[in-house]
Amino acid sequence: AQSVAQPEDQVNVAEGNPLTVKCTYSVSGNPYLFWYVQYPNRGLQFLLKYITGDNLVKGSYGFEAEFNKSQTSFHLKKPSALVSDSALYFCAVRQNYGGATNKLIFGTGTLLAVQP
Amino acid sequence: NAGVTQTPKFQVLKTGQSMTLQCAQDMNHEYMSWYRQDPGMGLRLIHYSVGAGITDQGEVPNGYNVSRSTTEDFPLRLLSAAPSQTSVYFCASSPRRGQVTDTQYFGPGTRLTVL
Repeated sequence: AQSVAQPEDQVNVAEGNPLTVKCTYSVSGNPYLFWYVQYPNRGLQFLLKYITGDNLVKGSYGFEAEFNKSQTSFHLKKPSALVSDSALYFCAVRQNYGGATNKLIFGTGTLLAVQP
Repeated sequence: NAGVTQTPKFQVLKTGQSMTLQCAQDMNHEYMSWYRQDPGMGLRLIHYSVGAGITDQGEVPNGYNVSRSTTEDFPLRLLSAAPSQTSVYFCASSPRRGQVTDTQYFGPGTRLTVL
């Protein structure tokens, strides 16, 4: 069965420093990986996704993620954190079962706190 | 486009009451789904639909019913509310059935409390 792990419940970083939010996955075939962000009392917003091709994916708000097949990871990164990046981040994976379904499996989320 | 809309935003129920959470999308998306979000558990899939008239169970379907009579609407029904159903509920949609590369778009959520 496919699964996603976000090993850190919370990541703390100072404003201006680089940030990394970790995600590892487990699927039996090709993975399709997504990052979403949830601001307080809001729905989930799509950040970026990896489908195929270049292992470095660029997304919204200056975020990027690196797909590493050998380590089964898809870590979210940003070169310089902003206080406004403070939010809950979810990694998700979808596997191609060859049918009509396209279910997403979510990780448990990582709370990013950026201190001024 | 309004995207994915959900009503109500907040709801308090007593144990045993029933209610319907509404979800609508105006993007002509084939695929719609319902998730619940609980602390430390991420989002879990309740039910999903790949088109009008077609629904199926997700990871945690017990206590919930769905139907999809139109492409736009996908209501979630709680038949007899229980405190364990206290959660934040999100509806999501994506353009095409069976297309694993499609992005899912989420509504703003409904915060439900069952006393």
